[in-house]
Amino acid sequence: DVKVTQSSRYLVKRTGEKVFLECVQDMDHENMFWYRQDPGLGLRLIYFSYDVKMKEKGDIPEGYSVSREKKERFSLILESASTNQTSMYLCASSLVSYNSPLHFGNGTRLTVT
Amino acid sequence: GNSVTQMEGPVTLSEEAFLTINCTYTATGYPSLFWYVQYPGEGLQLLLKATKADDKGSNKGFEATYRKETTSFHLEKGSVQVSDSAVYFCALRTGTASKLTFGTGTRLQVTL
Repeated sequence: DVKVTQSSRYLVKRTGEKVFLECVQDMDHENMFWYRQDPGLGLRLIYFSYDVKMKEKGDIPEGYSVSREKKERFSLILESASTNQTSMYLCASSLVSYNSPLHFGNGTRLTVT
Repeated sequence: GNSVTQMEGPVTLSEEAFLTINCTYTATGYPSLFWYVQYPGEGLQLLLKATKADDKGSNKGFEATYRKETTSFHLEKGSVQVSDSAVYFCALRTGTASKLTFGTGTRLQVTL
């Protein structure tokens, strides 16, 4: 079974802090994704990566950056956390083919105070 | 662009009732279609998928058939259990390296 591991389940940070959310997958998948999930808004894509050091903006990239130095690891960075970034963050990975599903981690619930 | 429309929830059913959650889509090209389930406090789990027209995906008693003519992928289960209470998401994917486009989710509550 594919395993996607997010380093923290719950995180509380202060406004203005730099925040790192880490995600590791163990199935040698080419693609990795970061989504955020908010009540009433569903899941929205922040960034995705289709190879090491390659990234593309999703629907809501403002205020975020990403890093993919190794194939198995995809990090989401909040350069200066703000209260409107309080959310559930979900990491996912997949094979290249559009027939392949995305496999999700358990999520990180981030609260910015 | 791609989009997915799901029926509004919450859906409340008694145990052993029949479940249908409607899902329709708009897509360029020929998408693959997915249903995901999210239990409280957890991430999304793949429930089933279908990759071409008339395919039927099935898993754990749930089924959905890819209907190209009606652009639909409705989720059904013949007899729901309390343990099926969760949020269900319909999603599609087109092209390589592409994101999943999700519906807004439908919350299912099953009572005894």
